[in-house]
Amino acid sequence: KAGVTQTPRYLIKTRGQQVTLSCSPISGHRSVSWYQQTPGQGLQFLFEYFSETQRNKGNFPGRFSGRQFSNSRSEMNVSTLELGDSALYLCASSKTGDLSGNTIYFGEGSWLTVV
Amino acid sequence: AQSVTQLGSHVSVSEGALVLLRCNYSSSVPPYLFWYVQYPNQGLQLLLKYTSAATLVKGINGFEAEFKKSETSFHLTKPSAHMSDAAEYFCAVSDPSGGGADGLTFGKGTHLIIQP
Repeated sequence: KAGVTQTPRYLIKTRGQQVTLSCSPISGHRSVSWYQQTPGQGLQFLFEYFSETQRNKGNFPGRFSGRQFSNSRSEMNVSTLELGDSALYLCASSKTGDLSGNTIYFGEGSWLTVV
Repeated sequence: AQSVTQLGSHVSVSEGALVLLRCNYSSSVPPYLFWYVQYPNQGLQLLLKYTSAATLVKGINGFEAEFKKSETSFHLTKPSAHMSDAAEYFCAVSDPSGGGADGLTFGKGTHLIIQP
């Protein structure tokens, strides 16, 4: 079956712009979570969605937002981009989010460079 | 609050030698624990996970890890390293009571180097 698909894979934006990243989870998966990966801070949890509802959010400013659609596809948006937002953004999906009986599958990520 | 500490940002072993990657966690509740591997320019792949069943967990590619509550550790091992094991390895922890909503808390990662 198809894995977690993230688009675009690579993009370059200018400071002050905004960006939208897309994630298509594995078919049947209803939980989608997002992570930011940088050399300095490592992997950090951004937020998690389940059935179109944001259940939790990590310690990121309000410039970072997301949403989930009825087909479980998710988007994340970063407004007023800063140089420090340059990172690999990873999307992950699981059936329900309950980690005891489910596996979280990660996409290959979207590389964002802010110049 | 949970946290994960991975000892050694870089570990180098010879091909055929034992691989040992260390992970210690801090959690106020019995956690779920995970090891992920990341190859260059790729996402994360789950190697194995501990979710309160057997303390010795076997994963893919010959890796295994043992949950030791008394030591708050979840070290990853593989008896014989292969060149294809060279990658970045991440230990992660999750609070079971969150139902997955809290996401995973990752360690900083350990870069495994395999010497021929």
